[in-house]
Formats: sequence, structure tokens, C-alpha cells
Amino acid sequence: GENVEQHPSTLSVQEGDSAVIKCTYSDSASNYFPWYKQELGKRPQLIIDIRSNVGEKKDQRIAVTLNKTAKHFSLHITETQPEDSAVYFCAASLKGAAGNKLTFGGGTRVLVKP
Amino acid sequence: SAVISQKPSRDICQRGTSLTIQCQVDSQVTMMFWYRQQPGQSLTLIATANQGSEATYESGFVIDKFPISRPNLTFSTLTVSNMSPEDSSIYLCSVEQGVGTEAFFGQGTRLTVV
Repeated sequence: GENVEQHPSTLSVQEGDSAVIKCTYSDSASNYFPWYKQELGKRPQLIIDIRSNVGEKKDQRIAVTLNKTAKHFSLHITETQPEDSAVYFCAASLKGAAGNKLTFGGGTRVLVKP
Repeated sequence: SAVISQKPSRDICQRGTSLTIQCQVDSQVTMMFWYRQQPGQSLTLIATANQGSEATYESGFVIDKFPISRPNLTFSTLTVSNMSPEDSSIYLCSVEQGVGTEAFFGQGTRLTVV
């Protein structure tokens, strides 16, 4: 089955700096890669996703890149703000197939220091 | 996005008892899933709730311990049976409105077994 590795497990950045989180996956058939943000005591919320037919996607200060050959994808947050402090999870799945399900990485705890 | 209501939001239970968690969605959804999130950990898929048939369980999870029902396209329940302190976790319902669409999460049920 799919295995997703996420690094780093914790990340501390100064407000205004950039944050980068990297994930690798094992199943070359996976074609959908979402990122979730989970604030303390709250549900995971989808912040951005990318499908295997594109290499990069951007939404304001957040961008995701995908390298299918290397089987890795990354989340980039620019101009970080204190409200970006949360745990971020990457995931991978094979969309469109029976039994498609998300496999999550271990999570990255991001702390943005004012 | 679908509005997901999960109940109860939290509970403290005695070991050896069972708890049933409900997940109600405000619209029909194709896929419903149940996840477990142990303290400080990532999300682990327990099972896919199939409408009108038995749930599909992931490795390490069995029907006798985590019976699941899904009587229609908007509702599912997860029961945690014969609980022990090791079952203390957050249990999350997740839905996908259509094949190939993004997944959304309920607010979770924080279970403490004493």
C-alpha cells in the first residue's frame, strides 16, 4: 500500500520568512496530493491540493509543487504570519479508483514567531 | 463543501463499555470514511463506510472492535467496542461528495477511556 513520509516534524520560522514542508510517497499510481492544516483542537482543513497532471499550483501565499519522477511534493508558505502556526499534513491517494483513500504523512508542527 | 455534524464532540467512558459516534452530512455523499488520530499523531484510516454493505477495514482494524453502519448516503456511525485506555483518541468522520473530489472532515470526537 501507499506510504507517505513527511519532513520536518517541527518547523520554527520568524514571521515574514518562508516555510517549506516536504513529502515523499511510495505508490507511483497515486494521482492526488492534498495538504491539510489542523489548528489545535480543530478539524483538519484542506488548504491546497494538486493532481498529478500539473507540476505546481499556487493560492496566494501557499504553493505546492509535485515531482512525479522523484515521487515527492512540497508545500511552500511565503510571508508567514502567526496565524499560520498549526500542524500541517500531506496526503496521497489514487482518485477515481474504487476504494480511493487518503494516506497521510506524519505531520509538521509549524510555529511562526512574531 | 458539505456540512458535517459529528456527535458526541467528546466523551469520557469506562473501560469495557462501548460508544457509538454519529456522522451526519447535509447532502448526499459518495464516500464516507472513519479515521483515528491518537494524541499528537497523524490520521490513520480505520475503514471506508459503504452504503448498504459491510465496511471495508484497513489492516489492524476489525469489525468486532469497530462496527460501522451506513444506512444511507448522508449518515454513518462508528462504534468503539469493549473500550480500553488505548482507545483514547480523536475519531474523525470524513466525506467526499463525489468520486475524485476533495475530502472534508467532521469536527471529531475526543474519546477518553478511564
